[in-house]
Amino acid sequence: QKEVEQDPGPLSVPEGAIVSLNCTYSNSAFQYFMWYRQYSRKGPELLMYTYSSGNKEDGRFTAQVDKSSKYISLFIRDSQPSDSATYLCAMSRDNYGQNFVFGPGTRLSVLP
Amino acid sequence: NAGVTQTPKFQVLKTGQSMTLQCAQDMNHNSMYWYRQDPGMGLRLIYYSASEGTTDKGEVPNGYNVSRLNKREFSLRLESAAPSQTSVYFCASSEIFLRGIQPQHFGDGTRLSIL
Repeated sequence: QKEVEQDPGPLSVPEGAIVSLNCTYSNSAFQYFMWYRQYSRKGPELLMYTYSSGNKEDGRFTAQVDKSSKYISLFIRDSQPSDSATYLCAMSRDNYGQNFVFGPGTRLSVLP
Repeated sequence: NAGVTQTPKFQVLKTGQSMTLQCAQDMNHNSMYWYRQDPGMGLRLIYYSASEGTTDKGEVPNGYNVSRLNKREFSLRLESAAPSQTSVYFCASSEIFLRGIQPQHFGDGTRLSIL
């Protein structure tokens, strides 16, 4: 079993829809949870990170962590065509980059 | 502000050939990383350098070597390329602090095909 599981998609939604992206994990030692966005032919860029269970909001994006279920989510409200990208979840038991574990990514298309 | 620059962007090699992937960052970061990205696998860490003068193996180091040339530059070398090393290679850099996540800044990748 992989440490981090993520549905690869592709996921297609109409512009303005609410998007839900999810990851599950198996290592209960994970404490830091991150979401990266990766446009085609580009490197990943950090969108959001959280340290604990609960919700964290940043503009149209909300990250949610449920440690009891080992489940994290990223919600995108009022989705835009510019949100079309691959979204990678990542997690770590500490804040040292060498211990990050990345999910395979979910490819999202927002159709105008 | 260039951030993390990787060269070359594309490369095709024959099995057994060697090559070096170059990476440079201009953000004065202490830590640098090399990842490979394969379909369905996610990013996997090959090697990292926590600070100038140090390098350590990551999850998938076999077949690779690295050099931290100075604080700015971190290169990845394939001594004898194999088809299994066909992948997209990303270099990243970050700061390390005692508390909180410091984002890793990624380059745009080198797409490497080995025939």
